Amino acid sequence: GENVEQHPSTLSVQEGDSAVIKCTYSDSASNYFPWYKQELGKRPQLIIDIRSNVGEKKDQRIAVTLNKTAKHFSLHITETQPEDSAVYFCAASIKTGTASKLTFGTGTRLQVTL
Amino acid sequence: KAGVTQTPRYLIKTRGQQVTLSCSPISGHRSVSWYQQTPGQGLQFLFEYFSETQRNKGNFPGRFSGRQFSNSRSEMNVSTLELGDSALYLCASTGTSGRETQYFGPGTRLLVL
Repeated sequence: GENVEQHPSTLSVQEGDSAVIKCTYSDSASNYFPWYKQELGKRPQLIIDIRSNVGEKKDQRIAVTLNKTAKHFSLHITETQPEDSAVYFCAASIKTGTASKLTFGTGTRLQVTL
Repeated sequence: KAGVTQTPRYLIKTRGQQVTLSCSPISGHRSVSWYQQTPGQGLQFLFEYFSETQRNKGNFPGRFSGRQFSNSRSEMNVSTLELGDSALYLCASTGTSGRETQYFGPGTRLLVL
């Protein structure tokens, strides 16, 4: 089955700096890659996603890149703010027919310090 | 639209008991997936239901089961609870527009004593 590895497990950056979280996946058939943010005590919330036919996607301060050949994708957060502090999860999904199953990375705890 | 809801939000059980958790998806969503979240294992996929049928299953023992009703609400049952079943159980719903975006509920925190 699919296996997703995520690094680093913890990341501390100063406010205003950039943060990069990297994930690799094992199954070349994976075609959908969402990123979720989970604040303490809250549910995971989708922040950005990318499909296998796109190499990069940007939404304001957040961007995701995908390298299908190397089977890795990354989340980039620029101009970090204290409210960006949370746990971030990457995931990969293989869609077969109408069924899909998300396999998650183990999460990155991002701390933005003042 | 109202978001995904889960009941109960918190639950305390003892070893050997069984528990049933409920999930109501976003109106119009027909797919419901269940995940177990623990500090050590992260988010692990349990199963997915669509139109009352289980479409996908993760690597959990048979003590974990689920079902989906005609109104797309889903229940998850864990029998013969073990200490290691203590976790946050999240459900997520997906629409049928062809997109895979999953929207999560707030979760049910289960503590097994």
